[in-house]
Amino acid sequence: ETGVTQSPTHLIKTRGQQVTLRCSSQSGHNTVSWYQQALGQGPQFIFQYYREEENGRGNFPPRFSGLQFPNYSSELNVNALELDDSALYLCASSLKVFTEAFFGQGTRLTVV
Amino acid sequence: EDKVVQSPLSLVVHEGDTVTLNCSYEVTNFRSLLWYKQEKKAPTFLFMLTSSGIEKKSGRLSSILDKKELSSILNITATQTGDSAIYLCDPGNQFYFGTGTSLTVIP
Repeated sequence: ETGVTQSPTHLIKTRGQQVTLRCSSQSGHNTVSWYQQALGQGPQFIFQYYREEENGRGNFPPRFSGLQFPNYSSELNVNALELDDSALYLCASSLKVFTEAFFGQGTRLTVV
Repeated sequence: EDKVVQSPLSLVVHEGDTVTLNCSYEVTNFRSLLWYKQEKKAPTFLFMLTSSGIEKKSGRLSSILDKKELSSILNITATQTGDSAIYLCDPGNQFYFGTGTSLTVIP
């Protein structure tokens, strides 16, 4: 059983650029959630996908978009990067909502 | 609007102390509450609570849910430096995590 893996682990981008972060869910998990975590804060929910459909969205602007693929892996896309987008981005997968979530190690995004 | 509040925000204790962390929630369609420990990057699962008043225990950690008070506590007895982490509460749907409680255990 493989865990949740995220790529890349670190990334530096310039303001205004676009970025794609990737997440491979744990085997058999059909639900994936994405979070943004600033230093000293708890994870802020961006959105969740269940079987390729968006199942919920947090208070993030439309320039944050996502996708879940038939193999349940997922992408988070952020357009027009701003300095405040600098954070740790976490992906978590689970068998279904309301159960234990398994987190990846995150992608540290720095926008300069 | 759904809400999760954890307290205290941070805590510094000495090894051997006992700590109690709190999580209060207001969520629609509540089903379960989960606790996670975040040491460096990836939070790891500790407990899932669905029934009020039934304590879940794992070694020195224990947790209980009070559905009437819409709250949960996480207790850690005989703390060790390895318990230093951020403890996160999730009222079940993975949509809302509290800001977490940062626990530092001093030798």
